[in-house]
Amino acid sequence: GDSVTQMEGPVTLSEEAFLTINCTYTATGYPSLFWYVQYPGEGLQLLLKATKADDKGSNKGFEATYRKETTSFHLEKGSVQVSDSAVYFCALMNRDDKIIFGKGTRLHILP
Amino acid sequence: EPEVTQTPSHQVTQMGQEVILRCVPISNHLYFYWYRQILGQKVEFLVSFYNNEISEKSEIFDDQFSVERPDGSNFTLKIRSTKLEDSAMYFCASREQGAGNTIYFGEGSWLTVV
Repeated sequence: GDSVTQMEGPVTLSEEAFLTINCTYTATGYPSLFWYVQYPGEGLQLLLKATKADDKGSNKGFEATYRKETTSFHLEKGSVQVSDSAVYFCALMNRDDKIIFGKGTRLHILP
Repeated sequence: EPEVTQTPSHQVTQMGQEVILRCVPISNHLYFYWYRQILGQKVEFLVSFYNNEISEKSEIFDDQFSVERPDGSNFTLKIRSTKLEDSAMYFCASREQGAGNTIYFGEGSWLTVV
């Protein structure tokens, strides 16, 4: 079945560092891909999405490119802030109409 | 901006009791979902609902669980005879008609079974 694999956390970085969180997927067909973020004590918020190959999703300085050839959707940010500390979930939605999440990557940003 | 709202935000219940978690999806959305996140673990799909019936459910969603859309705005998850392992954050979600549309999540209802 469809699945999402993302890098294990926690990831700890200093403020202004470059961030990459790797995400790969297994799916039949052409799923839509998402990154959701969960700030401490809050629910799931959509961060960005891409619906077809080579699309780049971007929001709040984060970006991810849908790479069909490598079945990847890595999340990147050029300069992280303390306020980016959260859990990040890579996810896909296929024709069966439900979202499948990765296990989540906890990000700690140190001032 | 429209949002999915859930109540209660936190509920503590005794083992064996019934719990109803309530959700108000975004008003023009037609597809509704419940997901669960046990503390520190991944977010798991429970059930999807469309056109007043369940369209898909996971193996977690056994006879202990049921969903209902009692009126034009609410979408509820009922958990009968709760167990300790039902303690989790339960997320309601909804989306519009159309393939690839974003699923919007509520802030979650944290259920603690004691």
